[in-house]
Amino acid sequence: DSGVTQTPKHLITATGQRVTLRCSPRSGDLSVYWYQQSLDQGLQFLIHYYNGEERAKGNILERFSAQQFPDLHSELNLSSLELGDSALYFCASGEGPSGGWEQFFGPGTRLTVL
Amino acid sequence: GNSVTQMEGPVTLSEEAFLTINCTYTATGYPSLFWYVQYPGEGLQLLLKATKADDKGSNKGFEATYRKETTSFHLEKGSVQVSDSAVYFCALRPRNSGNTPLVFGKGTRLSVIA
Repeated sequence: DSGVTQTPKHLITATGQRVTLRCSPRSGDLSVYWYQQSLDQGLQFLIHYYNGEERAKGNILERFSAQQFPDLHSELNLSSLELGDSALYFCASGEGPSGGWEQFFGPGTRLTVL
Repeated sequence: GNSVTQMEGPVTLSEEAFLTINCTYTATGYPSLFWYVQYPGEGLQLLLKATKADDKGSNKGFEATYRKETTSFHLEKGSVQVSDSAVYFCALRPRNSGNTPLVFGKGTRLSVIA
């Protein structure tokens, strides 16, 4: 158990809809990173938040947005969903008190867009 | 830019065989290097890491050595078990100022048969 939690585990929705994925980092970690894992693109970095502030953006679509709240949990919002958005979405946390370079991953949310 | 190249899978081995999964990287400076493992239906787990040249990471019988001269971080295990069947990801984390996301290889699927 990495200590990172993600909800929900599975999400099935229709094209055009909007969903919210939630991530709680390990206790003490200040960073949350969001990644998308798809069969054709592999693992792609989406966005990074550190202590409530956006720090970096990767291959994140304009239809997607995220935020990190004062309690450090984060939400990834996906809107106007398309079939191609079906993927596993992982969050990872890091930059905790131990100061190590590793990131710890949650179990992921599997999104299926029908 | 930063990138990771790992050998294409799938790799199929018999139990107790020797495993090597090749990983090479391109990065500016001296990144930290990681191997993550993803068991079926689960998230990514950190398997081992190395943060500077000539460091050897090891865990659960797996080893990898940070080779700066060949920009490589090959994963090895002397005797694989059926329970090692999973997808293995090589990753790097650039060591720039500030916090940076992981850059992943495409993953190598390992199947170990009894």
